[in-house]
Amino acid sequence: GQQLNQSPQSMFIQEGEDVSMNCTSSSIFNTWLWYKQDPGEGPVLLIALYKAGELTSNGRLTAQFGITRKDSFLNISASIPSDVGIYFCAGQLGVTSGSRLTFGEGTQLTVNP
Amino acid sequence: GAVVSQHPSRVICKSGTSVKIECRSLDFQATTMFWYRQFPKQSLMLMATSNEGSKATYEQGVEKDKFLINHASLTLSTLTVTSAHPEDSSFYICSAQGRTNTGELFFGEGSRLTVL
Repeated sequence: GQQLNQSPQSMFIQEGEDVSMNCTSSSIFNTWLWYKQDPGEGPVLLIALYKAGELTSNGRLTAQFGITRKDSFLNISASIPSDVGIYFCAGQLGVTSGSRLTFGEGTQLTVNP
Repeated sequence: GAVVSQHPSRVICKSGTSVKIECRSLDFQATTMFWYRQFPKQSLMLMATSNEGSKATYEQGVEKDKFLINHASLTLSTLTVTSAHPEDSSFYICSAQGRTNTGELFFGEGSRLTVL
C-alpha cells in the first residue's frame, strides 16, 4: 500500500527558531494536508494543498505541494512554546467524499522557552 | 472549519463489557466517516470507512465483529468495541467528510478507552 515517510521524527528547538519538516511518498497524491495534534486531542488541520507546486501560508506556517506530487514540506517560522505537539502530513488521492487519508509517522516538536 | 464532536472523551470499562463511542458532525452533513486507532507516539491507523446508510468497509486485520460501526444518519456514526479486552485500550479518533469538492476531513477530539 501507499506509505508516507515523514522526517524528522522529532525536533528539539529554541523559541524563535524556524522549523522545517517534510514528507515523501513512493506514489502520487492529489492533495497534501498538514495536521497538528496536541496530547489527548484529535488532529487539527493546519494547511491543505490541492495543486502541484502550490505554496500556501497560514500565519507563521508555510507548506508546499511538491511538483512531482510525491512530497510536501511544512515550515514554521519564529517558533513559540505553543507550537509544541505532533505534526502529521497526510496524502489524499481523490477529492471526492470517501477519499481516505494516508498519514505520515509524525514529527514530535519540542520548543524550549 | 467544521466541527466534529466525539463522546465520551474518556472511558474506563471492565474486561468483557462493550463500549460505544459516538462521533457527530455538528454543522455539516457527513457523507463519510472514518474511524482511526492511535497507539502512544504512533500515527493514526485507519480502522474502517463508513458511508451513511451502508455497511462499513474495514481495513485488513480489523475484526468487524469486534469493532461494530454504524452510520445511521448524516450526522452520527458510532463505534462499539464489543467484549473489550485490555489490548483494546487505545485512543480512538473519528473524522468526517462532507459533500465538498475538496474532500476535506475534520477530526473529532478523540476518545481514550482503558479496559481493565
